[in-house]
Amino acid sequence: GENVEQHPSTLSVQEGDSAVIKCTYSDSASNYFPWYKQELGKRPQLIIDIRSNVGEKKDQRIAVTLNKTAKHFSLHITETQPEDSAVYFCAARYSGYSSASKIIFGSGTRLSIRP
Amino acid sequence: EAEVAQSPRYKITEKSQAVAFWCDPISGHATLYWYRQILGQGPELLVQFQDESVVDDSQLPKDRFSAERLKGVDSTLKIQPAELGDSAMYLCASSPGTSGRRDTQYFGPGTRLTVL
Repeated sequence: GENVEQHPSTLSVQEGDSAVIKCTYSDSASNYFPWYKQELGKRPQLIIDIRSNVGEKKDQRIAVTLNKTAKHFSLHITETQPEDSAVYFCAARYSGYSSASKIIFGSGTRLSIRP
Repeated sequence: EAEVAQSPRYKITEKSQAVAFWCDPISGHATLYWYRQILGQGPELLVQFQDESVVDDSQLPKDRFSAERLKGVDSTLKIQPAELGDSAMYLCASSPGTSGRRDTQYFGPGTRLTVL
């Protein structure tokens, strides 16, 4: 069935180093892949997204890569800062281009930045 | 900047009682979602509306949960009767549905439900 797997579940990196979070999806028809950041007690907020017609997208220190053949997509954060500490969720949209199609979330990665 | 509004922010109830949550999406957003998020997990879709119509409620426990969006604007999610296992954060989100960013979801602050 529809599934998004996310790894690792927890990640601790030294401030200034890079962090990578990986996700896999099961439906080859998926065409939209957003990433959300959720700080403790706050709402999930979209930080970057990518569509299936591109392989990579970058926004300042954040980048996302997509490998459609392998059904993998990854979030890369460079030059990590204390404010990057949060839970990050990947997601994938299933079943076509209709706005009514479902978005499935991964289980989340708790990222901690060590000073 | 417009945001999705939800109320109440916190709700404590006893099992077997009825509870209701309200969501006001960003103005003009055609698609509205209700998610349940258990601590330590990702949001799980309960129901999705396109305007006033339900387009996906496959994960909604229909024996106790109901949702409506009568005029295609704000929405109410109800649980009756509440059970201990319903304790979670209930998130509402909306997306434009029809523009170029049709599937970008904007989340509300959520309602944290505790069932005693």
